Amino acid sequence: SQQGEEDPQALSIQEGENATMNCSYKTSINNLQWYRQNSGRGLVHLILIRSNEREKHSGRLRVTLDTSKKSSSLLITASRAADTASYFCATGLDYKLSFGAGTTVTVRA
Amino acid sequence: AAGVIQSPRHLIKEKRETATLKCYPIPRHDTVYWYQQGPGQDPQFLISFYEKMQSDKGSIPDRFSAQQFSDYHSELNMSSLELGDSALYFCASSLGPGTSTEAFFGQGTRLTVV
Repeated sequence: SQQGEEDPQALSIQEGENATMNCSYKTSINNLQWYRQNSGRGLVHLILIRSNEREKHSGRLRVTLDTSKKSSSLLITASRAADTASYFCATGLDYKLSFGAGTTVTVRA
Repeated sequence: AAGVIQSPRHLIKEKRETATLKCYPIPRHDTVYWYQQGPGQDPQFLISFYEKMQSDKGSIPDRFSAQQFSDYHSELNMSSLELGDSALYFCASSLGPGTSTEAFFGQGTRLTVV
């Protein structure tokens, strides 16, 4: 990827469980954004966390950012079948948004 | 709410032909980004524009060019198409400058080169 690694690469969980995925990056950032993508479809913006923020919540999503470790995590609580998708982190710096390799999440009913 | 509009949604071209992809950003958004996503890959940054000027450039082949017009819409021109150019092409826009705010993506153009 252009920016770093996401782990795990794939995650399979039962409906109702929590899903956690991590993102590491290499450069300085203005912010870090998380996106969801269903197979072959568009990228849906989930949440943006700025470099001076440590944690942010949006509905069932919780994002953390540790700039000293150059890492971020996305937690999806009480997962649903509709959460099945690929999740990407993207670091924003100046006029470029750089994506990680993505985590494929499968939520089993 | 208005979203980023890309056209066409699907495009089939033959090798060595030319393709033009269009992107209409969210109203008032002044920054536009273009990305290429191959099957099973993460989106690769191609180029960005802010206030109609090129602001950053990624792994965009010399056969590709892009511009942002006075109404802020953008076009990606791809010439001498190769089989390897087959991919999803996404456009995104943000209220800049640059990545200072959320970037929203269009539904993409699926380009197939045969």
